[in-house]
Amino acid sequence: GAVVSQHPSRVICKSGTSVKIECRSLDFQATTMFWYRQFPKQSLMLMATSNEGSKATYEQGVEKDKFLINHASLTLSTLTVTSAHPEDSSFYICSAPPGPGGARNEQFFGPGTRLTVL
Amino acid sequence: LAKTTQPISMDSYEGQEVNITCSHNNIATNDYITWYQQFPSQGPRFIIQGYKTKVTNEVASLFIPADRKSSTLSLPRVSLSDTAVYYCLVGGAINAGNNRKLIWGLGTSLAVNP
Repeated sequence: GAVVSQHPSRVICKSGTSVKIECRSLDFQATTMFWYRQFPKQSLMLMATSNEGSKATYEQGVEKDKFLINHASLTLSTLTVTSAHPEDSSFYICSAPPGPGGARNEQFFGPGTRLTVL
Repeated sequence: LAKTTQPISMDSYEGQEVNITCSHNNIATNDYITWYQQFPSQGPRFIIQGYKTKVTNEVASLFIPADRKSSTLSLPRVSLSDTAVYYCLVGGAINAGNNRKLIWGLGTSLAVNP
């Protein structure tokens, strides 16, 4: 199947700093990418839908000014956690649906980024 | 949005067949049923998807009764490496005009024992 990469795989930062996470589709183009957050022992929570060439769509309760999303190209979406605080510590995962011919609700997920805010 | 209910955890042994059932009483006409597998600290992996009746691929089978209010993921002859969390999701096509989203429940934590 298609490959989605994320960078970095883990990051530790001080409270108040900003952290950028990159999500890349390596062998296919993705006009849409999804960003999720997952706390320990919990399920995935969709944060936002990233759209190439337009603004991201945020889920209810997710602060768009805190979680900045930029879908710069058909293979790259970035999530920037601004002024990170310890409660932002989580596992952040991106995904992208396959192109035409893929299963309807199939998404290719990245390996995730473990963010720890001290 | 459709909601799913799965057992929180299941235990099995190597070589056994494992069946995980998911309830989705409020499934909509255009919803598909999709199952994912997730290992610790990794992104989920697509397993199988179906709309009705039975679907089979190289790793699993998906059984969906006529009323579509439930579905069963069947894993034949599990091994230790199948220990993971399995999620059942219902929703319309991601790229559909109505932008139906996938709602992730807690999933079923499957432990395969030697």
